[in-house]
Amino acid sequence: SQKIEQNSEALNIQEGKTATLTCNYTNYSPAYLQWYRQDPGRGPVFLLLIRENEKEKRKERLKVTFDTTLKQSLFHITASQPADSATYLCALGTNFGNEKLTFGTGTRLTIIP
Amino acid sequence: ETGVTQSPTHLIKTRGQQVTLRCSSQSGHNTVSWYQQALGQGPQFIFQYYREEENGRGNFPPRFSGLQFPNYSSELNVNALELDDSALYLCASSHMAGEQETQYFGPGTRLLVL
Repeated sequence: SQKIEQNSEALNIQEGKTATLTCNYTNYSPAYLQWYRQDPGRGPVFLLLIRENEKEKRKERLKVTFDTTLKQSLFHITASQPADSATYLCALGTNFGNEKLTFGTGTRLTIIP
Repeated sequence: ETGVTQSPTHLIKTRGQQVTLRCSSQSGHNTVSWYQQALGQGPQFIFQYYREEENGRGNFPPRFSGLQFPNYSSELNVNALELDDSALYLCASSHMAGEQETQYFGPGTRLLVL
């Protein structure tokens, strides 16, 4: 059966360090993968998209990698700050033009000052 | 802010009742998707509407239905509410034109079924 797993429910990282979150999937052939940030009581906010034929994408302090052989995406936040504390969700899309997204359960990241 | 609004923010219903949740998309967005997010879980796709027609449905029973209107607003209706329907309901708007990269989520409606 299809499954998306994010490495852990919760992750605590010291301020200034790099936070690395993992998203693994099975029985999917995604066309793209997205990462979202969700704060308590709010809807997810889009951060980055990476296509199946891309290895890496960067945006400011964020970096996403995508390995379709390992069926894994890594999401990095460098120079982490307490304001980065949130739940981070990965989501797979299998068709461009049909935006049905399948989400992982999320990782709750806490940056400790 | 994403420009997507939802109402109401919170709602309490009893089992067996019916509920209508509303979403106002970003202007110009012709696609709206609805998701259910249980506590501690990721959002689950309910269905999508494109130009007022259903354009894909997740693994939800027919008592979950929707409407999309020409003025960029939409509704999610749930009949015969069950306790397990308690969740955060999210709508997400986007503009389907070939490759679509971003969905814009609203803040959600938190539904509690007693």
